[in-house]
Amino acid sequence: SQKIEQNSEALNIQEGKTATLTCNYTNYSPAYLQWYRQDPGRGPVFLLLIRENEKEKRKERLKVTFDTTLKQSLFHITASQPADSATYLCALDTPSNTGKLIFGQGTTLQVKP
Amino acid sequence: SAVISQKPSRDICQRGTSLTIQCQVDSQVTMMFWYRQQPGQSLTLIATANQGSEATYESGFVIDKFPISRPNLTFSTLTVSNMSPEDSSIYLCSTLLSGWEQFFGPGTRLTVL
Repeated sequence: SQKIEQNSEALNIQEGKTATLTCNYTNYSPAYLQWYRQDPGRGPVFLLLIRENEKEKRKERLKVTFDTTLKQSLFHITASQPADSATYLCALDTPSNTGKLIFGQGTTLQVKP
Repeated sequence: SAVISQKPSRDICQRGTSLTIQCQVDSQVTMMFWYRQQPGQSLTLIATANQGSEATYESGFVIDKFPISRPNLTFSTLTVSNMSPEDSSIYLCSTLLSGWEQFFGPGTRLTVL
């Protein structure tokens, strides 16, 4: 079965720096990969989707890369702000192509002023 | 986007009892999903609930324990039956709109004593 690995340790960075989060998967290559943000006590919020034939996707200060050879996605937040502090979840679709997702454990980002 | 509400937002229940969680979407949607997020863990899909058909359960989840209703295109319920402390989790519903990104409700935090 598909396994997703995200850094379990919290990532602490200084405001203004670029945060880079990693998502590795072990089995089949998904048709698409998604990143979500989750704040304490709230449901995840969708950020970006990248398809298997896309190398990179950008949205404002966010950038996602997708390397199907390495089975890895990198999620970057440039010019990070304390408001970016949250848990970021990586999610992959399943071969059933029904919209079902498998989520990683998430990486908690703490941006210090 | 979609606005999704859940009731109750939290509850404390005694073991052996059942709790029904409601999920309301502000627009008509075909697919709805129910997830469980145990303390410190990521989201695990319980089942997919499509209107007009029986819910489809993931491995490790059964209908007797987690019966689901989907009476119309804007509403679904998940019941956690015969609860034990191991059922203490956050339960989230989500839906798809036009794309593959999921929109989540705020979650229901369940504590079983």
